[in-house]
Amino acid sequence: SQTIHQWPATLVQPVGSPLSLECTVEGTSNPNLYWYRQAAGRGLQLLFYSVGIGQISSEVPQNLSASRPQDRQFILSSKKLLLSDSGFYLCAWSVTSSYNEQFFGPGTRLTVL
Amino acid sequence: DAKTTQPNSMESNEEEPVHLPCNHSTISGTDYIHWYRQLPSQGPEYVIHGLTSNVNNRMASLAIAEDRKSSTLILHRATLRDAAVYYCILRDPNAGGTSYGKLTFGQGTILTVHP
Repeated sequence: SQTIHQWPATLVQPVGSPLSLECTVEGTSNPNLYWYRQAAGRGLQLLFYSVGIGQISSEVPQNLSASRPQDRQFILSSKKLLLSDSGFYLCAWSVTSSYNEQFFGPGTRLTVL
Repeated sequence: DAKTTQPNSMESNEEEPVHLPCNHSTISGTDYIHWYRQLPSQGPEYVIHGLTSNVNNRMASLAIAEDRKSSTLILHRATLRDAAVYYCILRDPNAGGTSYGKLTFGQGTILTVHP
């Protein structure tokens, strides 16, 4: 069966510090991968998606970047965090078909102080 | 993506059926209707999806209006574990480019289940 892991589960970082969140998927090959962010009291917003190694598409301009160094690894990064980067970050995967369901990870709650 | 409209919140009692409505008057002929739910402090999980016919699975039923401009997610017997935010989302499987595979989440409906 497929599983998706995210770490860390929670993170408190000072403004201006770097960020690296990792997501890995097991039990499937060549998945589509997604990073979402959910600000407090708001819906989920798609940040990045990837259809293959090294292929990253950004949905919104922001202070963050994403990379996919391996087939089942997706990394979200920032060089300098802003207060507005606080939120609940969710990684998701789907099989390579645009209307298949997406499977979400447990999320990382990031607080920038 | 076409827009959906859902009530901000609904309440139910345990063991009773729950009907969660969704309006999507601008739905296109190729849009699928998807439902996800998000339990507190967790990532969303897929519930059900359909195109034109009503759909049933182990979690819920999806009733789709004949003109497809609205749909209803039905939880046949609500439990306390069903308390969550329920999202109704339209997805076009033929969409390419930057919308490929994207789920556009609205505010959803907060379902409260009373014991």
